[in-house]
Amino acid sequence: QKEVEQDPGPLSVPEGAIVSLNCTYSNSAFQYFMWYRQYSRKGPELLMYTYSSGNKEDGRFTAQVDKSSKYISLFIRDSQPSDSATYLCAMSFSNDYKLSFGAGTTVTVRA
Amino acid sequence: DADVTQTPRNRITKTGKRIMLECSQTKGHDRMYWYRQDPGLGLRLIYYSFDVKDINKGEISDGYSVSRQAQAKFSLSLESAIPNQTALYFCATSDRGTSGFYEQYFGPGTRLTVT
Repeated sequence: QKEVEQDPGPLSVPEGAIVSLNCTYSNSAFQYFMWYRQYSRKGPELLMYTYSSGNKEDGRFTAQVDKSSKYISLFIRDSQPSDSATYLCAMSFSNDYKLSFGAGTTVTVRA
Repeated sequence: DADVTQTPRNRITKTGKRIMLECSQTKGHDRMYWYRQDPGLGLRLIYYSFDVKDINKGEISDGYSVSRQAQAKFSLSLESAIPNQTALYFCATSDRGTSGFYEQYFGPGTRLTVT
């Protein structure tokens, strides 16, 4: 069983829709939870990170962590074609080097 | 100019050849990393270095070696390339930000094909 599971999609939504992405994980020791966005032929870039449980909002993006269920989510409101990318979840035991990544979900927002 | 650069961006090589991928950064970060990305598997850590004299194996280091020539340069070598090393390779750097969080910054990647 992989440590971090993420549905690879692909996911296609119309412009303006809410995009919902999620990951599950098996190791309850994870403390930091991250979402990266990766455009085609580019490296990943950090969107948001959350420490422990709870919600975090940044503009149109909301990240949620439910440690009791070992489940994290990313919501994108009012999605735009420029949001079309692969979204990777990642997590770590502490604020250090070793990130465990999900496989990534490819999202297309149709104009 | 990009903060983290990788050369080459694309490379096709034959089984058994030695190949080196290079990474340079202008961010002034001490920590550098090499990952590979495969479809359906996400990114996996190959090697990481916290400073010039500190190099550590990641989860999939077999068949790879690294060299940290300077704070700004971290190279990955495949001593004898094999087809299952065909992948997208990323270099990353990190440093402690003002919030205390170590954000990792990724280069644009090198697409390596071993035939």
